[in-house]
Amino acid sequence: EPEVTQTPSHQVTQMGQEVILRCVPISNHLYFYWYRQILGQKVEFLVSFYNNEISEKSEIFDDQFSVERPDGSNFTLKIRSTKLEDSAMYFCASSGDHFGLWYTFGSGTRLTVV
Amino acid sequence: GEDVEQSLFLSVREGDSSVINCTYTDSSSTYLYWYKQEPGAGLQLLTYIFSNMDMKQDQRLTVLLNKKDKHLSLRIADTQTGDSAIYFCAETSHNTDKLIFGTGTRLQVFP
Repeated sequence: EPEVTQTPSHQVTQMGQEVILRCVPISNHLYFYWYRQILGQKVEFLVSFYNNEISEKSEIFDDQFSVERPDGSNFTLKIRSTKLEDSAMYFCASSGDHFGLWYTFGSGTRLTVV
Repeated sequence: GEDVEQSLFLSVREGDSSVINCTYTDSSSTYLYWYKQEPGAGLQLLTYIFSNMDMKQDQRLTVLLNKKDKHLSLRIADTQTGDSAIYFCAETSHNTDKLIFGTGTRLQVFP
């Protein structure tokens, strides 16, 4: 069964450093998403991406965040200058449609900012 | 804004039925979903229900939707130890494809 692959599974970074979280979506999917879950809190939507541009973003997704699909297969989330409160599990997802029925989530990257 | 709430924990004996409850606030919800998360794994879609339905059954899973009360439940019949996981309720509305998740309910199944 096709999978969404996220790397690394766990990343530790120092406050103020830039991090790039990587995702390989399912190959024929057109819609791409990032969500995050701070420990003990809800899974929160960050951003959706379609046709090489952001289609929707949340209040969390400020100027420190950016997304890119650099080569037609990877989908990345960059955090420019990490803060302690960016520590969370980050989930990538892709979908073949925009109704949410065909979302496939990756297993997540746990980001720890120290 | 939209909000989805769930109870945090549920503990059941193997073989019993589990009922996980969820309430939501968005009256324009189109689809409501149940996701399962096992340790170290991603979010796996278990089942969904369209907002104009009130019940959906899929093998051991039964979803009930009370749209008036904005209440969704997931019943797992004959619960097994392999059902131990975190279960998330989520919804989308007609003008967006983002998922709004609840906090998740940790289901523990004991022998």
